[in-house]
Amino acid sequence: LAKTTQPISMDSYEGQEVNITCSHNNIATNDYITWYQQFPSQGPRFIIQGYKTKVTNEVASLFIPADRKSSTLSLPRVSLSDTAVYYCLVGDMRSGGSYIPTFGRGTSLIVHP
Amino acid sequence: NAGVTQTPKFQVLKTGQSMTLQCAQDMNHNSMYWYRQDPGMGLRLIYYSASEGTTDKGEVPNGYNVSRLNKREFSLRLESAAPSQTSVYFCASRRIAGHNEQFFGPGTRLTVL
Repeated sequence: LAKTTQPISMDSYEGQEVNITCSHNNIATNDYITWYQQFPSQGPRFIIQGYKTKVTNEVASLFIPADRKSSTLSLPRVSLSDTAVYYCLVGDMRSGGSYIPTFGRGTSLIVHP
Repeated sequence: NAGVTQTPKFQVLKTGQSMTLQCAQDMNHNSMYWYRQDPGMGLRLIYYSASEGTTDKGEVPNGYNVSRLNKREFSLRLESAAPSQTSVYFCASRRIAGHNEQFFGPGTRLTVL
């Protein structure tokens, strides 16, 4: 299973852009990178997924360099409601039922007023 | 659609008691998962079911059993609860292939005295 490494915590202020980087040095050729967000007392929620280069949706962007050994989740203009734990996962989405997701400890983001 | 539902939301057990946590999804997903999350930690996979009729151990299966009753339902049983099983339990489901997005239930907060 590919292992990921993220910062334990980050602090930011409202209106700033936040970038959370995840290292996955042994990512496999078929692995995709997926990010989740978790609020206290709730289950994780899918944010974004990508394979290479850049992916953008309505809430975030995901930047993946050519070597794919890391990825960066970018949250534009964060607000207090973005305070949460963010998890980076890698896995082969085409493997069907044998996809076994591994959540690390994630990055605890605190957004200050 | 209700998504992923879990019952009960809260439960207090005494050491040695047994109970079953229920999970159901109405998204016609093939794969289902059971996780536990201890305070300040990420999610750890207990068991998963790649498709109806199959179950496999995850990272921390000891002390648990599962049943994939049908495509919709995946239950987790504690035969003889121990204080070390005090945790929040999350159930999740996923389409069998094509995307790594998992959908999580609201969780069951279990305390074993």
